[in-house]
Amino acid sequence: EVELLESGGGLVQPGGSLRLSCAASGFTFTSYVMSWVRQAPGKGLEWVSGLSGNGENTYYADSVKSRFIISRDNSKNTVYLQMRSLRPEDTAVYFCVKTGSGAMRNWGQGTLVTVSS
Amino acid sequence: DIQMTQSPSTLSAFVGDRVTITCRASQSIATWVAWYQQRPGKAPQLLIYKTSGLESGVPSRFSGSGSGTEFTLTISSLQPDDSATYYCQQYNSYPYTFGQGTKLEIK
Repeated sequence: EVELLESGGGLVQPGGSLRLSCAASGFTFTSYVMSWVRQAPGKGLEWVSGLSGNGENTYYADSVKSRFIISRDNSKNTVYLQMRSLRPEDTAVYFCVKTGSGAMRNWGQGTLVTVSS
Repeated sequence: DIQMTQSPSTLSAFVGDRVTITCRASQSIATWVAWYQQRPGKAPQLLIYKTSGLESGVPSRFSGSGSGTEFTLTISSLQPDDSATYYCQQYNSYPYTFGQGTKLEIK
């Protein structure tokens, strides 16, 4: 059974940094693109970032480019999202997603990031 | 970036009704569209991939169609459990983008 467990969310001040982690199990981790998708309170889904299975190819939404960095440690079956220069509009639940041929196949339960002073 | 425009934003229907949600892409995306269901407080779940592929475990009353720039999600006979918000997503090219969502209510 596929399991994705996010951690690292919390309250951070504007301009601050936070690193999210997602521990994966139940599938061959290196075979899949991993993505982060976020959802601001009461709003829709926003794709944030994606990373190829070998870690060589990264993709970002314009709204986070140059501020967020996605990475993975295939020895630990874990994907990360390093977030810097955080803004109030980054406040959201962040979902870790196993991506199969582009479709978001399996989702974690999400971790809440709140950017506020 | 490719924009995905969903309609309607809200929809109310009776149990047993046939309902259709539409998604229009700002440029051709072939058949690279997926549909998701999200219940309140829960993570989204994949329903349909590549326009019409039914994800394993999803009831057969859900179906998808379309190509190019216009796509539809159809629920053939609405059930009480289908009350949720539905999203389309294009994965023709990065950055991937979602529609704004359709909230489906059961009368």
